Amino acid sequence: DQQVKQNSPSLSVQEGRISILNCDYTNSMFDYFLWYKKYPAEGPTFLISISSIKDKNEDGRFTVFLNKSAKHLSLHIVPSQPGDSAVYFCAASPYNNNDMRFGAGTRLTVKP
Amino acid sequence: EAQVTQNPRYLITVTGKKLTVTCSQNMNHEYMSWYRQDPGLGLRQIYYSMNVEVTDKGDVPEGYKVSRKEKRNFPLILESPSPNQTSLYFCASSLGGGKAFFGQGTRLTVV
Repeated sequence: DQQVKQNSPSLSVQEGRISILNCDYTNSMFDYFLWYKKYPAEGPTFLISISSIKDKNEDGRFTVFLNKSAKHLSLHIVPSQPGDSAVYFCAASPYNNNDMRFGAGTRLTVKP
Repeated sequence: EAQVTQNPRYLITVTGKKLTVTCSQNMNHEYMSWYRQDPGLGLRQIYYSMNVEVTDKGDVPEGYKVSRKEKRNFPLILESPSPNQTSLYFCASSLGGGKAFFGQGTRLTVV
């Protein structure tokens, strides 16, 4: 039973436009959420995170939004660049990433 | 440079032949984990360790063993590999309650 779900396996956007990646979770015990980016032949790298006491966290072109009542979070990338093309994983944990759960990932393609 | 190093990067083996994938981190992190990545399933945790000599099962521990004799090393052991363990494996370390650093991955094929 996947506790973190990314229902869109892929997303394609034009360079300069906004990319929105979505993630849903089912476990109410999760209170820390992270996004990782993964390029081919490399390990995932941390991108941005948010704790449950916030509903938004911004870092440059990347913003994560959290809607606790809907158990939903999203990652916005503005403006999207070709170098952002990668697989993005959503992850959640009860503020202890020993027990971090990952979604299946969304492959983002940014077209020049 | 802060890093998590896994070896080997690629491995093809036969069913039943014991193998070990090594993982080492140079950040003095307490927490280390092993994940496997399979299509459509994302990353699933196999085992994790909170500190030296402290390990626990993740979501998919069957067929795997780990040990944590030193803080920097966290090897993954497959005593009798089977074809369903063909996967991409990642080791990760972290301080806890925050971002994890991942190794570059080990692609294992069991025939």
